[in-house]
Amino acid sequence: GENVEQHPSTLSVQEGDSAVIKCTYSDSASNYFPWYKQELGKGPQLIIDIRSNVGEKKDQRIAVTLNKTAKHFSLHITETQPEDSAVYFCAASIQSGGSYIPTFGRGTSLIVHP
Amino acid sequence: DAGVTQSPTHLIKTRGQHVTLRCSPISGHKSVSWYQQVLGQGPQFIFQYYEKEERGRGNFPDRFSARQFPNYSSELNVNALLLGDSALYLCASSLDSRDYGYTFGSGTRLTVV
Repeated sequence: GENVEQHPSTLSVQEGDSAVIKCTYSDSASNYFPWYKQELGKGPQLIIDIRSNVGEKKDQRIAVTLNKTAKHFSLHITETQPEDSAVYFCAASIQSGGSYIPTFGRGTSLIVHP
Repeated sequence: DAGVTQSPTHLIKTRGQHVTLRCSPISGHKSVSWYQQVLGQGPQFIFQYYEKEERGRGNFPDRFSARQFPNYSSELNVNALLLGDSALYLCASSLDSRDYGYTFGSGTRLTVV
């Protein structure tokens, strides 16, 4: 099955700095890569996603890049703010038997210091 | 519109007991997926249901079972609880089993003592 590795496990930055979280996946058949943000006491919330036919996608201060050859993808957050502090999860998925079932990384705890 | 609702929010059980967790999907969503999230790790897939049929099963023992009802709500059942079953159990709903638009509930925090 799919295996997703995520680094770093903890990332501490100053407000206004950029943050980068990196993930690798094992199954070259994976074709959809979402990123989720999980705040304390809440479930994960989709913040951005990218499909295998696209190399980069941007939405305001967040962007995601995908390198299919190397099987890795990254989340970039610019101009970080304290409210960006949360746990971020990457995921990779293959449609198996007609179902979308993402495999998640272990998560990155992002701390933005004011 | 209400999001994905899960009940109860917190639960404490003793080893060997049985537990039932409940999930109500977003109105119009027909697929429900269950995940286990151990502290400090990412969510691990347990089950996916669509139109009351099981569409996927993760690597969990037979002590774990689930079902989906005609109104698309779902239950996750765990028998013979172990200390290692302590986790946050998340439910996610989507329009159908192939829909990328997962919406997660806030989860049920299960503690086994």
